[in-house]
Amino acid sequence: QQPVQSPQAVILREGEDAVINCSSSKALYSVHWYRQKHGEAPVFLMILLKGGEQKGHDKISASFNEKKQQSSLYLTASQLSYSGTYFCGTSAGGTSYGKLTFGQGTILTVHP
Amino acid sequence: GAVVSQHPSRVICKSGTSVKIECRSLDFQATTMFWYRQFPKQSLMLMATSNEGSKATYEQGVEKDKFLINHASLTLSTLTVTSAHPEDSSFYICSARPGGPYSNQPQHFGDGTRLSIL
Repeated sequence: QQPVQSPQAVILREGEDAVINCSSSKALYSVHWYRQKHGEAPVFLMILLKGGEQKGHDKISASFNEKKQQSSLYLTASQLSYSGTYFCGTSAGGTSYGKLTFGQGTILTVHP
Repeated sequence: GAVVSQHPSRVICKSGTSVKIECRSLDFQATTMFWYRQFPKQSLMLMATSNEGSKATYEQGVEKDKFLINHASLTLSTLTVTSAHPEDSSFYICSARPGGPYSNQPQHFGDGTRLSIL
């Protein structure tokens, strides 16, 4: 079952912050975050494994609450280059180990 | 590192033609590769999991005789769309995951192939 991302779209000015959420109805083993620019391949941002960890990557960080089956991606002090569609991909483990089911995407637009 | 090359980037062909798409991991070995289909402004839908040296695993609703997958080496997987029809037109993207079958490594994506069937 496809995870649900919210919001569907975000419009920011440079320097503003944003949070993108990803919720699943299934127990999760891992959550992967990607950014895709129009007409290009998705680019890996980070992976969070079962254990409720939080990770950071420059001004982009993420958390994973396995009890709530939710992950959030935090973008701080946004830059123009952050524009794109953000996807979370979830893995339930077990026989689905390693396979990702992607959310519908969140379109982020950063204006000067 | 972790570069995945996908060719061709664009294909336009007549209905009934078979089209082969290649996915190569350039700087790592990948026991497992994945094939996705993406419609405009939509998410990535997994079609099949390609396993080196064994048969691919297809998702429900994906015709295995229509979408032939071969993963003959640790760096190459191919997807052949057989007897393609206009409804097969889409953006096809592959990904490769470093490490073995139970690796926790992330998937790295190719640039995709835009297939247009006339």
